[in-house]
Parts: sequence; structure tokens; C-alpha cells
Amino acid sequence: DTEVTQTPKHLVMGMTNKKSLKCEQHMGHRAMYWYKQKAKKPPELMFVYSYEKLSINESVPSRFSPECPNSSLLNLHLHALQPEDSALYLCASSPQGWTYGYTFGSGTRLTVV
Amino acid sequence: KNEVEQSPQNLTAQEGEFITINCSYSVGISALHWLQQHPGGGIVSLFMLSSGKKKHGRLIATINIQEKHSSLHITASHPRDSAVYICAVIMYSGGGADGLTFGKGTHLIIQP
Repeated sequence: DTEVTQTPKHLVMGMTNKKSLKCEQHMGHRAMYWYKQKAKKPPELMFVYSYEKLSINESVPSRFSPECPNSSLLNLHLHALQPEDSALYLCASSPQGWTYGYTFGSGTRLTVV
Repeated sequence: KNEVEQSPQNLTAQEGEFITINCSYSVGISALHWLQQHPGGGIVSLFMLSSGKKKHGRLIATINIQEKHSSLHITASHPRDSAVYICAVIMYSGGGADGLTFGKGTHLIIQP
């Protein structure tokens, strides 16, 4: 298995809802990432997990809450989002360290209404 | 000033043309990635470079560390090459898991 699988592919949620995005990989990668991409813009790093520990949080609002329950799974819990949080949320993984490449998931297209 | 600059931002070419996309960066890096993103889709990693040149099929990527510059070339371009091509760098931090810093992307359209 050489893929990063993200679910759901599309999500519409209200501003009072709580939802979660899921990312899964079975390549043995020990680093996992969440990126946010607005339309026609490059992705922006949100969080990095290294060996299941949060190593980078790019000053993301607390309405986004990451979780890494095990080395294969990364979640992003969403609560009280705003319409401006509508974006493509991309997950990626890498074996560890800069000498190795990244594998990206196909993303979750989130719309907040 | 953006740490990663790409040019051109938009490029339309005819099928069969030789395509060059350029990337310049202003920081010390550990590695540079060329990525491809189709409309509405996820991102595919094409190359990771820390020196020299790599080739895969019709795609060639080069990097000059001294000049802080990289190029992506597409030979015999085809309409299926139409996509956004993104240059992204891993800034030097001595190792560990590091996020990517992205250029703004080059929107390439290859017309039949």
C-alpha cells in the first residue's frame, strides 16, 4: 500500500457542527502533516506529527484540533468553524526526515455554511 | 517577499512543445520538491532534489544549489500534462520532520 487515504472526500458542515477528517497510511511513515489550501493558492502547513507527537503547530486556531491515535492514523477534529475555513484539507506523510519524499492524500473538500 | 518564487504563473502552449518552469528560493534548503496538482485533486510528488538532475519519462528536473534555482522541464508536452505545477522546499533545520514551503504554482495548459 503506497497511498495516503483521506475521508471523507467532501464535507459540508454548519458553523455549530462538530466533524472530523481522517487520514490513514500503511507505509510505515513516522511523520504526518495537515495542510490547508484555499482556491488558487498554495497549501499552507497547519500541523506536523512526528512519531505520533505534535511537533509543529503553525498558530492554527483552536477550532482545529489534531489527533494522532497511532502511527497510521491522523485525525483533524473540527468545531465551530467559520465560512472562511472552507478549503481543501490535505494530509501528507513522509518516512521521517528531509531525505525522504512526501506522499499526499487526495484531500477533503470542506464547505462551512 | 515570498521565500519561493515560481515563473511563469500561467503558461499556455501547444501540444508537443518543450516546457520549462522555473523556481528560485531565498533560504537555505535541505531539499526541493516538484509537485503536480490537477483541478480539484490531490497533489502528486514528481521529484525530490537535493542536487543535480533527475529524469522520469518526459519530465526532467534540475537544481543548482549555489544559485538557489531549480527548473522543471516537460518534453513533447501533451494535453494530459495540463495541471498546476508547484515548487516546494524543505528549509534547512538539521533534520526531523519538516513541513514544505510552497511556491504559488504555475498553471500549465497544453492545447491540442
